[in-house]
Amino acid sequence: EVQLLESGGGLVQPGGSLRLSCAASGFTFSRYAMSWVRQAPGKGLEWVSGISGSGGNTFYADSVKGRFTVSRDNSKNTLYLQVNSLRVEDTAIYYCAKDITAGSQLATQVDHWGPGTLVTVSP
Amino acid sequence: QSALAQPPSASGSPGQSVAISCTGTSSDVGVYNYVSWYQQHPGKAPKLMIYEVTKRPSGVPDRFSGSKSGNTASLTVSGLQAEDEADYYCSSYAGGNNPNWVFGGGTKLTVL
Repeated sequence: EVQLLESGGGLVQPGGSLRLSCAASGFTFSRYAMSWVRQAPGKGLEWVSGISGSGGNTFYADSVKGRFTVSRDNSKNTLYLQVNSLRVEDTAIYYCAKDITAGSQLATQVDHWGPGTLVTVSP
Repeated sequence: QSALAQPPSASGSPGQSVAISCTGTSSDVGVYNYVSWYQQHPGKAPKLMIYEVTKRPSGVPDRFSGSKSGNTASLTVSGLQAEDEADYYCSSYAGGNNPNWVFGGGTKLTVL
């Protein structure tokens, strides 16, 4: 059974940093591209970042480019998102998600999601 | 990286059919068949309902179907059931020099 579990969220002041993690199990992690998607309270879904299975290709939304960094450790079956220079508008639940198809470079059709981790940016 | 356009709300009575539209551009929906739809109940993570425009993952009822014409994709829910009441989001791969993934704003489906 595929399982994804995010961690690392919390309350942080504007300008602060966090490292989000997503522990994966139940599938061959290195074969699948992964994405981070966030959802602000009461709002819709917003793609944040993606990474290929090998980790060699990374992708970012314009809203986070230069502030967020996605990475993965395939030996630990773990996906990461380093979030720096946080802003109030970054407050959201952050989900990690797995692509439905092995070998894709960017995960844009995802068949499994974690429960999410809440990041709150507040003075 | 512009969002796809969805109606904010849709509704239907049990047993009826309802269609939700999703309008993009010639840079996303219009040129790629990587259109997917997600169902989200309150407080829950999204669930994949349709991918590659028309395909259903295993376990998704065949009451859910997808289609696309030009820059507009659609999700049709037939034989509406109470449990179908949820938010629905469309999404599409957007290629070019800066590949990314764009979502619609979401449609709240109410079963009357």
